[in-house]
Amino acid sequence: QSVLTQPPSVSAAPGQKVTISCSGSSSNIGKNYVSWYQQVPGTAPKLLIYENGKRPSGIPDRFSGSKSGTSATLGITGLQTGDEADYYCGTWDSSLSAWVFGGGTKVTVL
Amino acid sequence: EVQLVASGGGLVKPGGSLRLSCAASGFTFRTYSLNWVRQAPGKGLEWVSSISSTGSYIYYADSLKGRFTISRDNAKNSLYLQMNSLRAEDTAVYYCARDPGDGSGMDVWGQGTTVTVSS
Repeated sequence: QSVLTQPPSVSAAPGQKVTISCSGSSSNIGKNYVSWYQQVPGTAPKLLIYENGKRPSGIPDRFSGSKSGTSATLGITGLQTGDEADYYCGTWDSSLSAWVFGGGTKVTVL
Repeated sequence: EVQLVASGGGLVKPGGSLRLSCAASGFTFRTYSLNWVRQAPGKGLEWVSSISSTGSYIYYADSLKGRFTISRDNAKNSLYLQMNSLRAEDTAVYYCARDPGDGSGMDVWGQGTTVTVSS
């Protein structure tokens, strides 16, 4: 049972948009930055979004992040087959003094 | 090139010990916090432990119950994880990951090292 809640899977056709939600609480998302990670099976996670909505160098602007209250959202527009991966949200939990992650969301391009 | 390379994984019997290492290069190691994050087969990411840039602040996942110890050697640009009293449920790929220490995100990840606990 993850501290952060994500939908297990989302899917859409190429070129379409998907959004992934991440729900937490006042001690984690409500108080700290949210980051998002992309993981292609068999490889290490890669930082996609940091500080709620900023993109590291090299991450296309098709990927966006936002936060409101105790929830965060990752958006992917112009969906490509290369976007098929697992996506995780993460943040620091000030009550647990621990990093917490969502259970992960599998994105499928139909 | 900024890089983290994890090593030290392997097959160990239940109750045994293992020490993981993570070698850093391409950045000023002593200015970053570091983390261990693991992923059991077919499961999601699970944070294991964090250590601040100077080693003054250390945090562990409650589930570890004092069996793991994180440490770092800033002179050697290296991070370590000493794992004792290993259990089958510790079987996972262990990743080391860097973060600026302000909770902004883990921006560099190692390739992972596999730990298998089995008799």
